[in-house]
Formats: sequence, structure tokens, C-alpha cells
Amino acid sequence: DIQMTQSPSSLSASVGDRVTITCRTSQSISDYLNWYQQKPGKAPNLLIYSASTLQSGVPSRFSGSGSGTDFTLTISSLQPEDFATYYCQQTYSTPPWTFGQGTKVEI
Amino acid sequence: QVHLAESGGGVVHPGRSLRLSCAASGFTFSSFGIHWFRQAPGKGLEWVAVIWYDGSKKYYTDSVKGRFTISRDNSKNTVYLQMNSLRVEDTAVYYCARDGRSGSNFPDNWFDPWGQGTLVTVSS
Repeated sequence: DIQMTQSPSSLSASVGDRVTITCRTSQSISDYLNWYQQKPGKAPNLLIYSASTLQSGVPSRFSGSGSGTDFTLTISSLQPEDFATYYCQQTYSTPPWTFGQGTKVEI
Repeated sequence: QVHLAESGGGVVHPGRSLRLSCAASGFTFSSFGIHWFRQAPGKGLEWVAVIWYDGSKKYYTDSVKGRFTISRDNSKNTVYLQMNSLRVEDTAVYYCARDGRSGSNFPDNWFDPWGQGTLVTVSS
């Protein structure tokens, strides 16, 4: 199985901050990497697919980059509604399609 | 509007069975693969199972192989997860989600949207 390692596991930030979350995979996955946001008690919500494509309806302050084994999710100016947990996930391999352990963004 | 809704969760004893349902609406159901995920209390997301858009392929994570069975009824726009021989470690919120692209085309795919989840608690 492909291992996914996110860093940091948690971070504290303020409204207006630029936030960067990193995801590293145990083998090259091209750009088959997706990012999800999850708020407490809610289902995950797709933010970015194919490493850098913004899902329809997602604010443009979110962006994704990377290919191969190193990927980044960036929030350009953190808003109050962005405090949540973020997960990277790969679909490169045959199943299981694995997730990172999550990054909790706190105030 | 694309919508998925899970049902069937509850409290069961170890070794017992439960069947979850995922009812879909707002899209051509027979064109999309459907997945089950789970999230144990305070933990991260885990992919559990998938059924191809036409039912031709099914895959499972290792920990549920031989115990869980995924199926679909395209006439009812519903996917099921039959869970047998349940263990304490199966306790989680279970979510269903649709493939982002039709035709079960991998690896260029993603999971969207997701249902609201249903809680399964396995406890003696």
C-alpha cells in the first residue's frame, strides 16, 4: 500500500495567515492526489483534485501543487471557516486508496 | 442536486451483522462507482470498499475482506454494505461517496460528494 505522510499534524494560525500543508507519498503517484476538508461532525468535502484542480465552488484562496511524491495544499489567506482538518488522498494505486493522517488547523 | 444518504447504523454486539444502505439521487446512478469509508472516533479517514459503476468489480480493504460485502441495486439507486462478524474495531462513522468521474475511471478520479455518515458501534 502507498503510505501518505502529512506535515504538520496540527498547526495554529490566525485569520489572514498563509497556511501550507505538505503531503509526501511512499512512491511516485504522478498527480493522482486529492485534498479534502473536514469540519467536526461533518463529512469530508473535496477541495482539490488531480493535485492542482480546484473543485467547483471552492474558494480561490485554496490551491494545490506538486507531482511525484511531494504535494502541497496552500490557503493564501486563512478565513474563520477554514479551521478544520485537511486530508490528502491518492488514487494512483490499485485499492486500497489511502489517506494521510490529517492536519488540524486551529486558531 | 447530487445527494447521498446513508442509513442502517446502530449498536451491535461483536460477531453480529449489520447492513448499511447508501441511497443516491440527482445523477445517473448506474454511471458511477460508489465507495464506503469509515472514521473511527477521533481518528482519520479509511477507505473500506468500492463497487464499480456496473457492479463488475468490487474491492475491499484487507481488514474487512471475507466479512464485508458491497453490492448495488441500480433499480433503487442504492448501494449496500453487508457487515458480518463485526468486531469492536469496526466501530466508526461510515460514509458513502461517489466517484468524481463516471465510468469508474482510475487512477484519475476522486470522491465527491459524500453522504452525512451513519454511526456503527460494536460493543458488548
